[in-house]
Amino acid sequence: GENVEQHPSTLSVQEGDSAVIKCTYSDSASNYFPWYKQELGKRPQLIIDIRSNVGEKKDQRIAVTLNKTAKHFSLHITETQPEDSAVYFCAPRGGSASKIIFGSGTRLSIRP
Amino acid sequence: DGGITQSPKYLFRKEGQNVTLSCEQNLNHDAMYWYRQDPGQGLRLIYYSQIVNDFQKGDIAEGYSVSREKKESFPLTVTSAQKNPTAFYLCASSMAWGAMGETQYFGPGTRLLVL
Repeated sequence: GENVEQHPSTLSVQEGDSAVIKCTYSDSASNYFPWYKQELGKRPQLIIDIRSNVGEKKDQRIAVTLNKTAKHFSLHITETQPEDSAVYFCAPRGGSASKIIFGSGTRLSIRP
Repeated sequence: DGGITQSPKYLFRKEGQNVTLSCEQNLNHDAMYWYRQDPGQGLRLIYYSQIVNDFQKGDIAEGYSVSREKKESFPLTVTSAQKNPTAFYLCASSMAWGAMGETQYFGPGTRLLVL
């Protein structure tokens, strides 16, 4: 089945600096690549996604880049702020009949 | 936010007891899902339903059961066969199964504790 790995598992950055989280997957048929954010005690919420025909997508301070050849995609957060502190999950989807598999999560902490 | 509700927020289970977690959505979504989240861990799929009157086992279905008699409802029963049920349970829905319904919308979760 699909194997999804997320790195790093924890990340601490100074406020204002950038953060990058990487997700690797094994299913070459994967065609949808989202990132979810889960604040402490809350539900996960989609923050950005990308499809296999696009290499990069940006939404204000967050961006997602996709490298289909290498089978990984990354979340980039620039000018980090305290409210960016959360756990971030990738959840690539394989072929259209496949289940979504969530990565193990990255706990991002923003230092003041 | 909104559109998917879960109840109760906290649930306590005694030994040998079956408990049912409620999940309701008013988004008119076809697909619904149940995930289990343990402290510091990711989300593991318990059961999913592509459409009403249909459901499939996920990766950790043992000790759990579901039903999907109505489009808007997907209750999860944690049976006494589930020996380690303490976890945070998240229900989710998506517009459809497959290419049109990848984005998942989550409920607020139910925290299950064993007495």
